[in-house]
Amino acid sequence: NAGVTQTPKFQVLKTGQSMTLQCAQDMNHNSMYWYRQDPGMGLRLIYYSASEGTTDKGEVPNGYNVSRLNKREFSLRLESAAPSQTSVYFCASSEDSRGSGETQYFGPGTRLLVL
Amino acid sequence: AQSVSQHNHHVILSEAASLELGCNYSYGGTVNLFWYVQYPGQHLQLLLKYFSGDPLVKGIKGFEAEFIKSKFSFNLRKPSVQWSDTAEYFCAVNAYGNTPLVFGKGTRLSVIA
Repeated sequence: NAGVTQTPKFQVLKTGQSMTLQCAQDMNHNSMYWYRQDPGMGLRLIYYSASEGTTDKGEVPNGYNVSRLNKREFSLRLESAAPSQTSVYFCASSEDSRGSGETQYFGPGTRLLVL
Repeated sequence: AQSVSQHNHHVILSEAASLELGCNYSYGGTVNLFWYVQYPGQHLQLLLKYFSGDPLVKGIKGFEAEFIKSKFSFNLRKPSVQWSDTAEYFCAVNAYGNTPLVFGKGTRLSVIA
């Protein structure tokens, strides 16, 4: 049982390049999330998917797109990377999203540096 | 909109000192409350959570938190910290029946020998 996995672990991009961050969970969870973590800012939600086939914007969605490929996988795409997107990106999943105290389980993170 | 405030950005304690990290949230309805911990170089792990019942919640590694509804607070406590508790601690809240979690900005705890 791997939990939540993310690839790559680390990536360096040049401004304007694109890339996709991959996330997969093997816990049969319905809901998946993408956060970014910046020093002094805590975790901020980029996008989430309450169930397969649905996605919704979070607090900071600009410059990102997501795809809920199937129940297991939720990818985050940067179409044209900017230095402001330098951050650590965490994927998370939870069994349900209806707010009944469900715990979110986090992946190990992807460190992204945009030059 | 919900928000979470963590009062301390960085706390430095000696081993065996007692710990209390403050967390206040703004939301008038029923909430679920969480404390997550992030050890250096690792991902976030759940310490404890409250969603109903006894407002004093016990978590892993000797941590506990008390939900005080009248104060909109969910402070984290530990009677005696260890060097291995050095980490960043995040309080989070979501409104019942709604998603997703809103995180505070985190409190970095440094425990020195």
